[in-house]
Amino acid sequence: KAGVTQTPRYLIKTRGQQVTLSCSPISGHRSVSWYQQTPGQGLQFLFEYFSETQRNKGNFPGRFSGRQFSNSRSEMNVSTLELGDSALYLCASSSGTTTDTQYFGPGTRLTVL
Amino acid sequence: GIQVEQSPPDLILQEGANSTLRCNFSDSVNNLQWFHQNPWGQLINLFYIPSGTKQNGRLSATTVATERYSLLYISSSQTTDSGVYFCAVATGRRALTFGSGTRLQVQP
Repeated sequence: KAGVTQTPRYLIKTRGQQVTLSCSPISGHRSVSWYQQTPGQGLQFLFEYFSETQRNKGNFPGRFSGRQFSNSRSEMNVSTLELGDSALYLCASSSGTTTDTQYFGPGTRLTVL
Repeated sequence: GIQVEQSPPDLILQEGANSTLRCNFSDSVNNLQWFHQNPWGQLINLFYIPSGTKQNGRLSATTVATERYSLLYISSSQTTDSGVYFCAVATGRRALTFGSGTRLQVQP
């Protein structure tokens, strides 16, 4: 089985722009979760989508949004980028049960200038 | 929310040495995973272990759920074991909460 894929792997944007990141889960997995990793805050949960519905949400401002498509692929969008949004964005896929193993993709490294 | 503490924060070993990494958590969990983050940032699954003991080659893990801690053992360490090790837990239907990690450096 192919693993979790994320595109693009690297991205450079300027303040005020918006960005869209993509995540394709492992085949058959219906849950996709997004995490942000920064040196100062560590790994923090953004949101989770299951069967095209947001099932869980972390404590991030509304500039961070996401969606999931019928094929379980997910996108996250960050609008009006700030310098502090520079981070590694990781997505994880799982079957969707709460006790299931989560598998992470390679991440997208976003730099905001 | 649930708190996760990992210790030690940093660890330097000589190749061939053994080590124990600890993860303490503040509430009952139904999901606990150990990850190794490689230099490129990817989180590699090591163990899914909300309770009990598992072994995979030179790595093993034990979670004592009643006492709210988990241990990751690395035996005969190799330079390729270097990186950051994370413990992550979840309770109920909530997302994984990560500890701050243990940065391991194995010197030749």
